Amino acid sequence: ETGVTQSPTHLIKTRGQQVTLRCSSQSGHNTVSWYQQALGQGPQFIFQYYREEENGRGNFPPRFSGLQFPNYSSELNVNALELDDSALYLCASSSGLAGYEQYFGPGTRLTVT
Amino acid sequence: AQSVTQPDIHITVSEGASLELRCNYSYGATPYLFWYVQSPGQGLQLLLKYFSGDTLVQGIKGFEAEFKRSQSSFNLRKPSVHWSDAAEYFCAVGAGDTGRRALTFGSGTRLQVQP
Repeated sequence: ETGVTQSPTHLIKTRGQQVTLRCSSQSGHNTVSWYQQALGQGPQFIFQYYREEENGRGNFPPRFSGLQFPNYSSELNVNALELDDSALYLCASSSGLAGYEQYFGPGTRLTVT
Repeated sequence: AQSVTQPDIHITVSEGASLELRCNYSYGATPYLFWYVQSPGQGLQLLLKYFSGDTLVQGIKGFEAEFKRSQSSFNLRKPSVHWSDAAEYFCAVGAGDTGRRALTFGSGTRLQVQP
């Protein structure tokens, strides 16, 4: 069974640029959630995708957007990067809408300078 | 909205000693409860979960947790800590509204293990 994978591992961007992060869900899982973890804090929910539709969003501005593909992999896009966007971005996969039991990938470390 | 409090930012225990990490939650109904562990620079690994039923749940790596509704708590315990248990531990609540299945995390407890 393949776990959740994310790419890239690390990324350095300049303020104002755009970034795309990628996630492949665990085999058999059709729901993907994205979280932002700032240094020294717990993860915060960004949004969730179920069967290619957004299924809920946390308190993040519209410049954070996402996609889910037919194979259940997902992208997180952030436009107009700000310094405060520097964080570890975690993807989690789960099965169906009962999916509170979420399995996390290793994360992408984004640094905005 | 639900919230999670982990009162201890940092705990140090000796190897072989027992461990208890505290977690309190705020939610109107019975939530789904989780403990995750995160090693430096890594993602989160699920240690254990509580959905319903027996209030004492067993997890991986010898961890257990007890749900106490009257105290709104879900404390994590281990009878004998190993040096490899040094990591950050997060308690999380799953309580969906409008159909989303989001987890709300506490701010974490960093565990140091002394030889």
